[in-house]
Amino acid sequence: KAGVTQTPRYLIKTRGQQVTLSCSPISGHRSVSWYQQTPGQGLQFLFEYFSETQRNKGNFPGRFSGRQFSNSRSEMNVSTLELGDSALYLCASIRTPGQGPEAFFGQGTRLTVV
Amino acid sequence: DQQVKQNSPSLSVQEGRISILNCDYTNSMFDYFLWYKKYPAEGPTFLISISSIKDKNEDGRFTVFLNKSAKHLSLHIVPSQPGDSAVYFCAAKSGSNYKLTFGKGTLLTVNP
Repeated sequence: KAGVTQTPRYLIKTRGQQVTLSCSPISGHRSVSWYQQTPGQGLQFLFEYFSETQRNKGNFPGRFSGRQFSNSRSEMNVSTLELGDSALYLCASIRTPGQGPEAFFGQGTRLTVV
Repeated sequence: DQQVKQNSPSLSVQEGRISILNCDYTNSMFDYFLWYKKYPAEGPTFLISISSIKDKNEDGRFTVFLNKSAKHLSLHIVPSQPGDSAVYFCAAKSGSNYKLTFGKGTLLTVNP
């Protein structure tokens, strides 16, 4: 069974630009969450989607947004990039609710803002 | 306010010995706890979890203990192997909310 796939793995963007990251969850998983990992703040929750609906949102500015498609694939977008947005962005997929809340993570996208 | 705390940034253990990683939490609404292992530049790998209705869960070399009254959980790895060297994160969730709150992690080094 294929794991969570995130693309691209690495990305370099300039301050002020926008970026879109993609995540394909494990087949059959309908919930997708996004996390940001930085050395100072650790792993922080961005948002969670289930059946194309955002169910939870973390404490991040409106520049961070996401969506989920009917095939459960998800994208997150960061607009007007700032240097502080440089981080490892992780996507996690979760089995259908009721089958255990364990989240399985992808390899992540390393975003560098210069 | 850090709701999940891993107070030891690092731990060094000899191969074959027991590794004990600790985690404290402050939010009494947390009802499910998970441990993840992470290598640099990779995503966390799920190791083991425990529901708040249990006090122990075991899976091979990994055992997680939960002390609800103390709001404390620990991960025991026996015997420790060099391949266990990684950063270990404790995470918690509450109710039907799938948001995970992570600790800052503990770097485990297992020396041959």
